[in-house]
Amino acid sequence: AQSVSQHNHHVILSEAASLELGCNYSYGGTVNLFWYVQYPGQHLQLLLKYFSGDPLVKGIKGFEAEFIKSKFSFNLRKPSVQWSDTAEYFCAVNAGKSTFGDGTTLTVKP
Amino acid sequence: GAGVSQSPRYKVAKRGQDVALRCDPISGHVSLFWYQQALGQGPEFLTYFQNEAQLDKSGLPSDRFFAERPEGSVSTLKIQRTQQEDSAVYLCASSDSGSRTKNIQYFGAGTRLSVL
Repeated sequence: AQSVSQHNHHVILSEAASLELGCNYSYGGTVNLFWYVQYPGQHLQLLLKYFSGDPLVKGIKGFEAEFIKSKFSFNLRKPSVQWSDTAEYFCAVNAGKSTFGDGTTLTVKP
Repeated sequence: GAGVSQSPRYKVAKRGQDVALRCDPISGHVSLFWYQQALGQGPEFLTYFQNEAQLDKSGLPSDRFFAERPEGSVSTLKIQRTQQEDSAVYLCASSDSGSRTKNIQYFGAGTRLSVL
């Protein structure tokens, strides 16, 4: 069975700080990897995805993630966060059906 | 509609009551998924439809949970004899059949179910 682990439950940063949210998954085969974001009061929306090819993928709003197959990781990064990035972030793996991590709540202080 | 629509947004049920949650996917989307999201956790897979066929229901927690999508569009998740542990947000998502996009799921706002 596939599983996803997000290392940080709650991250608090000041504006302009750099962000890295950890995500590790367990699955032996080919997977598709996703980061979803849920802004306060809004529904889950796709931030970025990895299917194949270049392991460094870029998403919306300056986010990027790197797939490291040997580490079963797909960490999310942003060089300089903004107050508007305050949200909950979910990593997900899809190998037929989607499995989500428990999410990381990011609070960016102005 | 432009996105996935779920109704009702909020549902309060007394323990033992039956509830029905509706999902209206993006027009033309072949696949439809239901998830349960408990407080402080990520969405957990319940069931999956491709058109009207329910291809995977391995995540349904008990036989009190039943989902259908009779015409391959709107789907209903029914919970019979609700229990307090059923309290959660129920999310619906849909995706299309394009090879590059078929694994991208578009989520509705969810139905928050509270069982008293």
